[in-house]
Amino acid sequence: AQSVTQLGSHVSVSEGALVLLRCNYSSSVPPYLFWYVQYPNQGLQLLLKYTTGATLVKGINGFEAEFKKSETSFHLTKPSAHMSDAAEYFCAVSLAQGGSEKLVFGKGMKLTVNP
Amino acid sequence: DTAVSQTPKYLVTQMGNDKSIKCEQNLGHDTMYWYKQDSKKFLKIMFSYNNKELIINETVPNRFSPKSPDKAHLNLHINSLELGDSAVYFCASSPPGVPWQYFGPGTRLTVT
Repeated sequence: AQSVTQLGSHVSVSEGALVLLRCNYSSSVPPYLFWYVQYPNQGLQLLLKYTTGATLVKGINGFEAEFKKSETSFHLTKPSAHMSDAAEYFCAVSLAQGGSEKLVFGKGMKLTVNP
Repeated sequence: DTAVSQTPKYLVTQMGNDKSIKCEQNLGHDTMYWYKQDSKKFLKIMFSYNNKELIINETVPNRFSPKSPDKAHLNLHINSLELGDSAVYFCASSPPGVPWQYFGPGTRLTVT
């Protein structure tokens, strides 16, 4: 069954530092992969998506992720963290079921940005 | 211009009560979903509907009954609320043929 793993629950970086949030997936078919961001007390916002084509995908707010089939990974990066990036980040894989698609989420990673 | 909206945003109620959460999307999408986010922030699908038809029912207790009066609305009714139902409930929708979804702002349900 398709699943994603986000190891750890919390990452803390300094403002201006590199952000790296790890996600590994398990899938028997080519996966559709996503990163969602949840700001405090808000809903989930689609940050970026990989479906087919280019393996390096760019998203909103300067984030990007690279699909690496050999490593079964889809890590999220941003070269320089900003205070406004503090949020919970979820990696997700899409799973087809009964003619519909459902998102299977990782446990999430809380990103703290220190001044 | 709201895309996926939910009402209410907060809902506090006592055990045993029945409550409903409403969801509306103005994106013209065919498929709508309900997800539950627990106290540890773990997100899990509950239901999906496509054009008012139930597609996914993820072994949710039958105290939870989704209803889709039209393809722009998917409401969630919960009977006999229990403490364990306390969570944030998210509605989502997706266009035809794409695997990503757009989420509403969530409804925080607290059962006391």
